[in-house]
This record gives sequence, C-alpha cells and structure tokens, in this order.
Amino acid sequence: DAGITQSPRYKITETGRQVTLMCHQTWSHSYMFWYRQDLGHGLRLIYYSAAADITDKGEVPDGYVVSRSKTENFPLTLESATRSQTSVYFCASSEVQMNTEAFFGQGTRLTVV
Amino acid sequence: QKEVEQDPGPLSVPEGAIVSLNCTYSNSAFQYFMWYRQYSRKGPELLMYTYSSGNKEDGRFTAQVDKSSKYISLFIRDSQPSDSATYLCAMSGNNDMRFGAGTRLTVKP
Repeated sequence: DAGITQSPRYKITETGRQVTLMCHQTWSHSYMFWYRQDLGHGLRLIYYSAAADITDKGEVPDGYVVSRSKTENFPLTLESATRSQTSVYFCASSEVQMNTEAFFGQGTRLTVV
Repeated sequence: QKEVEQDPGPLSVPEGAIVSLNCTYSNSAFQYFMWYRQYSRKGPELLMYTYSSGNKEDGRFTAQVDKSSKYISLFIRDSQPSDSATYLCAMSGNNDMRFGAGTRLTVKP
C-alpha cells in the first residue's frame, strides 16, 4: 500500500528499556520527520532527515536516536525509556524541506510504565 | 512565551455555522503557514498552506495570513459534523517549523 506506515500502533514498555518505533514510506520523499504529540504542547519535532544518512536534531531530541540507512525507512529509538517519553509519536515525510506539505503516519501510542 | 499560540478550545458550534480558528506567532522568519486537520486517533492531514501574507480559499475553507500582526486564521463556512476534529496551525521558515497546540472543534447536527 502506498503511503507512510508506522509500527507498532501501540506499545507499553518499562522504564529503562530500549524501544524502537518504525516508520516506512513508499513515496521516496527526501525528508522524513519524527514528532511527539502531548496535550498542551501540540506537535514537537524530535529529529528529521533530509536524505539517507543525513539526520539533524529538532526541538526535543534528548533521549532519542535516529538512523536512516535507506530512503524509505526512518526508525526512532528510545535508548532508555523514561515516563516523560510517554506520548503519541508521529512520523511524517515530505518532498520539500520543513514539510510544508507533509504526510503523516497514523501514530504510535507509547506508554512507559 | 510559546513561539505559536493557539486557543485549545474546545469549540462547539451548530451545523451550518461559520467557524473561525486563529493562531499567533512570534518568529518573523516564518514564511509558510499551514493548517492541518486531525481526527481522533489519526495522524494530521494537510488542509491548506499559504506562502507569506494574503488569503487562500479552497471550497468551504479560507486561510488568512497577516504577517504584520503575526496572526493567521482559518475560516470554515457552512460547517458540517464531518468537520469535527482538532485543527492545528503550523508555520515554517529559516529551517524551523512549529505547530500550535491545536483547537478541538465539534460541529453539532
């Protein structure tokens, strides 16, 4: 199916564990983004990537790691999950820098207990 | 002060009403202004985007940008129950992009 898909849709993990959220897009968009969405804060950019092997920090990168070995995939890893990382995570892709026309995935609801 | 301020609502209107949603911002480098619609438990989807100041119309939706006041608006005419969603403003420029917190809108039949 064409589009952008995230997995898993829901995840519960324990404090201190490593967890990886997956993102896959089929459009061959150059830019990919990871956001977190929290009540009262809206969407905040964690990391973004302009192309394979090129990544950069966003507004709230601490505690997260990304990689992009292939254009279509952009996984986000929480190295040692904390309760403050409980959130809904959205992946997005765009042909144009800073996603003026971004396409978002369905989101991953992560709970850290 | 947040870079983008958006009233979270909730906003409840009867079907057929005109809805006005607004955001203010502080970063004068923003050049692109977007409105996203987000249904419950879904990802945001782009409704409209505008470059610099001015108006843009698309069907029942009109986006306005006033850069001198750092104020953007989205108007929805003849609102429908299917318009019930959270609306997020977003703006970008100078390699930065920010979203508002979103306004939750309910259109009652």
